[in-house]
Amino acid sequence: DAKTTQPPSMDCAEGRAANLPCNHSTISGNEYVYWYRQIHSQGPQYIIHGLKNNETNEMASLIITEDRKSSTLILPHATLRDTAVYYCIVRALSANQAGTALIFGKGTTLSVSS
Amino acid sequence: DSGVTQTPKHLITATGQRVTLRCSPRSGDLSVYWYQQSLDQGLQFLIQYYNGEERAKGNILERFSAQQFPDLHSELNLSSLELGDSALYFCASSEQGGSLSGELFFGEGSRLTVL
Repeated sequence: DAKTTQPPSMDCAEGRAANLPCNHSTISGNEYVYWYRQIHSQGPQYIIHGLKNNETNEMASLIITEDRKSSTLILPHATLRDTAVYYCIVRALSANQAGTALIFGKGTTLSVSS
Repeated sequence: DSGVTQTPKHLITATGQRVTLRCSPRSGDLSVYWYQQSLDQGLQFLIQYYNGEERAKGNILERFSAQQFPDLHSELNLSSLELGDSALYFCASSEQGGSLSGELFFGEGSRLTVL
């Protein structure tokens, strides 16, 4: 799987948008961009994923550049509960039903403050 | 609640001992993954099972072993424990049929402390 680069930490004021960048310059055509987060030693939680189009769900938006070499996760109105480590992972979907493991990097620690 | 259940939540043991961590995946999920998270190593993928068979191996030590049973629950066995094995151990399962989302659902983890 392609490697990703994320800033180690970011700060955000409560109520403001949090924009978390991720570089994945060696991404292959069949690899998706996934975002997970981990809140204080809880199990990682899926946020969103995408291939090349921008995606939005109830938690966040994912913006992928046209060349797919980078992406940004946007939390539109960050709250204190969004304080967590955010992981950007590039991964190809399994060709069979078994699925493939996620390989986590160090992620970005987002601190949301009031 | 992800639907993945891990037991025990906390475990304290001594060096040289052996422990077993248990994971029950979400109903219907055939794949189970084990991860280790220590302070200095981050989340490390250990091993994956699919429908009872080993499917992929990560950074799993030879002292560690796992298996998935016919009822799809999985156990991670850690033996000859060392201080450095103290960590959070997470289990995850993935949607049946390798759905397009490829989402993994994680349990709340088992915290192992080796004294």
